[in-house]
Amino acid sequence: AQSVTQLDSQVPVFEEAPVELRCNYSSSVSVYLFWYVQYPNQGLQLLLKYLSGSTLVESINGFEAEFNKSQTSFHLRKPSVHISDTAEYFCAVSVRGRDDKIIFGKGTRLHILP
Amino acid sequence: DAGVIQSPRHEVTEMGQEVTLRCKPISGHNSLFWYRQTMMRGLELLIYFNNNVPIDDSGMPEDRFSAKMPNASFSTLKIQPSEPRDSAVYFCASSRGQVYGYTFGSGTRLTVV
Repeated sequence: AQSVTQLDSQVPVFEEAPVELRCNYSSSVSVYLFWYVQYPNQGLQLLLKYLSGSTLVESINGFEAEFNKSQTSFHLRKPSVHISDTAEYFCAVSVRGRDDKIIFGKGTRLHILP
Repeated sequence: DAGVIQSPRHEVTEMGQEVTLRCKPISGHNSLFWYRQTMMRGLELLIYFNNNVPIDDSGMPEDRFSAKMPNASFSTLKIQPSEPRDSAVYFCASSRGQVYGYTFGSGTRLTVV
């Protein structure tokens, strides 16, 4: 069975500092990987995804994630965070070619400190 | 595109009452998912439908919960009778295929007193 582990439940970081949110997955088959963001009192929104090809994927608001097959990781990074990045971030995995079901991690709450 | 539409946004009900949550997926999306989110348990998949057919309901907590999708544009999640431990935010999401990910609604915040 597939699973997703987000190692940090909360990450505090100063504004304009870099941040990395860690994600590891467990699967014996090929997967698709996703990061979702949830702003306060809203639903989840797709931030970026890895399907195939280049292992580095980027979002429109400066986040990037790198797929590392050997370490079964898909960590999310941003070189300089802004107060507006305050949100909860969810890593998720879906088995290629199977059904549409996505398994979500428990989330990491990003706190931006002024 | 109006996105995934959920109603109501907030619901407060007394223990023992029936609660019905509603969801309109995005037109053309053939999969629909119901999730429950709490601080303690995080995001839990309750049930998902593909082409209006329930595919996996293993996450439905107990017989008090039921879900239907009578057509491609409407789904309901019903709790009868409701209990305080059902208090949570319930999300509906839809998808047009595995590689596209999900589009979530804004959620229904349910409080059972």
